[in-house]
Amino acid sequence: GQQLNQSPQSMFIQEGEDVSMNCTSSSIFNTWLWYKQDPGEGPVLLIALYKAGELTSNGRLTAQFGITRKDSFLNISASIPSDVGIYFCAGPHNAGNMLTFGGGTRLMVKP
Amino acid sequence: DTEVTQTPKHLVMGMTNKKSLKCEQHMGHRAMYWYKQKAKKPPELMFVYSYEKLSINESVPSRFSPECPNSSLLNLHLHALQPEDSALYLCASSQRALAGGRYEQYFGPGTRLTVT
Repeated sequence: GQQLNQSPQSMFIQEGEDVSMNCTSSSIFNTWLWYKQDPGEGPVLLIALYKAGELTSNGRLTAQFGITRKDSFLNISASIPSDVGIYFCAGPHNAGNMLTFGGGTRLMVKP
Repeated sequence: DTEVTQTPKHLVMGMTNKKSLKCEQHMGHRAMYWYKQKAKKPPELMFVYSYEKLSINESVPSRFSPECPNSSLLNLHLHALQPEDSALYLCASSQRALAGGRYEQYFGPGTRLTVT
């Protein structure tokens, strides 16, 4: 089946630093979704990407839909302590709206 | 409003108990989902309801029984669970469950289930 590989698996950074993470697949995806999950809570949708090459921002977050349709990137600028959490990429299976999730990137921010 | 609510927030149950998890959304979404999530892992799909009908069951054991009473509500009935069923159970909804619709799924806060 389709798999999404996220890297890095975890990051420990200093407050104020910029963060970059990515998601890759061996298959083409027509949609990329980025979620953030706080401990003990459900994932929250951050950004949805629908077109190859698309660059979309949500506050300090910017995500890009790779030209090859096999990857996506999420950048966080000027990180703050509340950015701590697990970031998941996700995309729909070939049939229907069932989502494949990446393994997640755990972000830790040191004040 | 993109809110999906779930109750209870926490649940502890014995292996002989029967309990139910509840999920509600008022976004007019016609697809609703149950996921199971273990610590440090992504959510795993369990069931999909499309227009109040069960459309996908990802080979989930029969001790988990979903129910969709109407387009806004989704229940998960639990019976004779095992300790390994302890996890965070997430409900989600989306506009549609068929290809061609909007793919965004909105998740509830989850129910933390512990089976003793």
